Amino acid sequence: KAGVTQTPRYLIKTRGQQVTLSCSPISGHRSVSWYQQTPGQGLQFLFEYFSETQRNKGNFPGRFSGRQFSNSRSEMNVSTLELGDSALYLCASSLTSGGTIQETQYFGPGTRLLVL
Amino acid sequence: QKEVEQNSGPLSVPEGAIASLNCTYSDRGSQSFFWYRQYSGKSPELIMSIYSNGDKEDGRFTAQLNKASQYVSLLIRDSQPSDSATYLCAPGGKLTFGQGTILTVHP
Repeated sequence: KAGVTQTPRYLIKTRGQQVTLSCSPISGHRSVSWYQQTPGQGLQFLFEYFSETQRNKGNFPGRFSGRQFSNSRSEMNVSTLELGDSALYLCASSLTSGGTIQETQYFGPGTRLLVL
Repeated sequence: QKEVEQNSGPLSVPEGAIASLNCTYSDRGSQSFFWYRQYSGKSPELIMSIYSNGDKEDGRFTAQLNKASQYVSLLIRDSQPSDSATYLCAPGGKLTFGQGTILTVHP
């Protein structure tokens, strides 16, 4: 079974631009969660989508948004990029909700975003 | 107060030693914990999960959960250089992770 895939793997943008990242979960998984990882802040939760609905949301500004399609693929969008948005963006899929106590999350390889 | 806190590290141990990684958590209701390993430049991967008080062993890895004291630990016996990575603990159902502990096993 194929793992979680993310595209693109690397991205360079300039301040003020917007960016869209894509995540395809493991086949049959209905939940996709997004995380931002930086050396200083560690792994921080952005949001989770389950069956096309946002179930949980982290403490990020409204510039960060996402959606999930009927095939469970998910996209994340960041508008008006800032230098501080430079990070590794990881998505993780799980069979049911990642907010379930027994649910394991499987991570994709990540998209490394550099904002200049 | 953070949901989960890990011993900050970095932690350096000689090959063959026992590496001990610890995590404390704030929610007494947390019922399960996951340990993920993340190699440099890679994404996290699950190595252990634990749902009940006590120890759970899997090969060289032992997870320990103490709900009364609200801590969870991961012991790696006979540490190998290939164990060098960042280890993240995560309470089940919270979608949050500890800051991670960088472990280096030197030959």
